Amino acid sequence: NAGVTQTPKFQVLKTGQSMTLQCAQDMNHEYMSWYRQDPGMGLRLIHYSVGAGITDQGEVPNGYNVSRSTTEDFPLRLLSAAPSQTSVYFCASSYGPVNTEAFFGQGTRLTVV
Amino acid sequence: KQEVTQIPAALSVPEGENLVLNCSFTDSAIYNLQWFRQDPGKGLTSLLLIQSSQREQTSGRLNASLDKSSGRSTLYIAASQPGDSATYLCAVFKDSSYKLIFGSGTRLLVRP
Repeated sequence: NAGVTQTPKFQVLKTGQSMTLQCAQDMNHEYMSWYRQDPGMGLRLIHYSVGAGITDQGEVPNGYNVSRSTTEDFPLRLLSAAPSQTSVYFCASSYGPVNTEAFFGQGTRLTVV
Repeated sequence: KQEVTQIPAALSVPEGENLVLNCSFTDSAIYNLQWFRQDPGKGLTSLLLIQSSQREQTSGRLNASLDKSSGRSTLYIAASQPGDSATYLCAVFKDSSYKLIFGSGTRLLVRP
């Protein structure tokens, strides 16, 4: 049981490049979400999903896309990277959206130059 | 708008002390509250989850309490150890918004 797995751990992008951050969980959790963590801003929700085929925007969705084709995977796509997207990205999952414990991945540290 | 505040922002204590970390939230309509630990450069590790109907949860040397009416939660750490040094985050899950709202954390240093 690996929990929530994120890849890559580190990434450097040039402005304008695109990439996908991968997130997978093996706990059969329905609810998955992406957060970014910035100094002085705390953790903020980017996108979330309450099940396969269902996604919705969080607090800071601009510049990011998500899809949920399977219960296990929830990739986050940066369409055209900008320096403002330099951050640490965390994927989280839980069995349901409420009254259940949230588990986080180890994070992806992204630098956009 | 729900806001979560953690005080103090940083805390340094000698090993063996009992300590309390504070978390306050502005809207009492929460589904649950969760405490996390984050080590430098690492992800978040769940410590305790308190449902809105509960008053406290315990795990080993950790005890978390919840008072919804006053919008407060405390994390009590007994007999602190240097290995407890980390940033502690609290987060509330607000009804229907499907997101955890985080505090900015308390950075704890336990000195040997």
